[in-house]
Amino acid sequence: EADIYQTPRYLVIGTGKKITLECSQTMGHDKMYWYQQDPGMELHLIHYSYGVNSTEKGDLSSESTVSRIRTEHFPLTLESARPSHTSQYLCASSPWGLAAYEQYFGPGTRLTVT
Amino acid sequence: DAKTTQPTSMDCAEGRAANLPCNHSTISGNEYVYWYRQIHSQGPQYIIHGLKNNETNEMASLIITEDRKSSTLILPHATLRDTAVYYCIVRPPGDAGNMLTFGGGTRLMVKP
Repeated sequence: EADIYQTPRYLVIGTGKKITLECSQTMGHDKMYWYQQDPGMELHLIHYSYGVNSTEKGDLSSESTVSRIRTEHFPLTLESARPSHTSQYLCASSPWGLAAYEQYFGPGTRLTVT
Repeated sequence: DAKTTQPTSMDCAEGRAANLPCNHSTISGNEYVYWYRQIHSQGPQYIIHGLKNNETNEMASLIITEDRKSSTLILPHATLRDTAVYYCIVRPPGDAGNMLTFGGGTRLMVKP
């Protein structure tokens, strides 16, 4: 079983609030990812990181930001939440090398902005 | 990256084999075929991957045609817990292929 954790699992928050979604992994993986998925729709990569102090934007443009100060931690922040940010956010990690094919996903955070 | 085409949905009777097809006619020589699945409201889960030979693990078997333009994921004895969306992804191996692009996948419904 993968050791990747996301908190909170569910969050309902009002418009304009600043929120941070937490993601941590204990596998020592250098690569980490954030995906966004609306109900019944495709997953879209919004951010990724190759290691400490590395962050890149993914295929889908997002108003969120990420940071990678520690290998095990990859938080996602929304400075001012809006209803359009309502979605599920999934964090994942993978190692370098040949085993990089396997991404381990967390359980997700379901965000609702009212 | 090579594009994949999968049926939108499939049904399977519990206890029977589930055969999920995937077309990847533009696959290039160094690209692997990966399969993931996503059970409702959970994060995707890696199932299996292969290059040209057929592969089997404790979860499933992967059959790749000789021309590599299509493949089939086989769940030999489907259970209700196998109900999920199954994604077929084609990517280069190792570090060059760490960006996974999830398409629509196949929604497999296993029925009692």
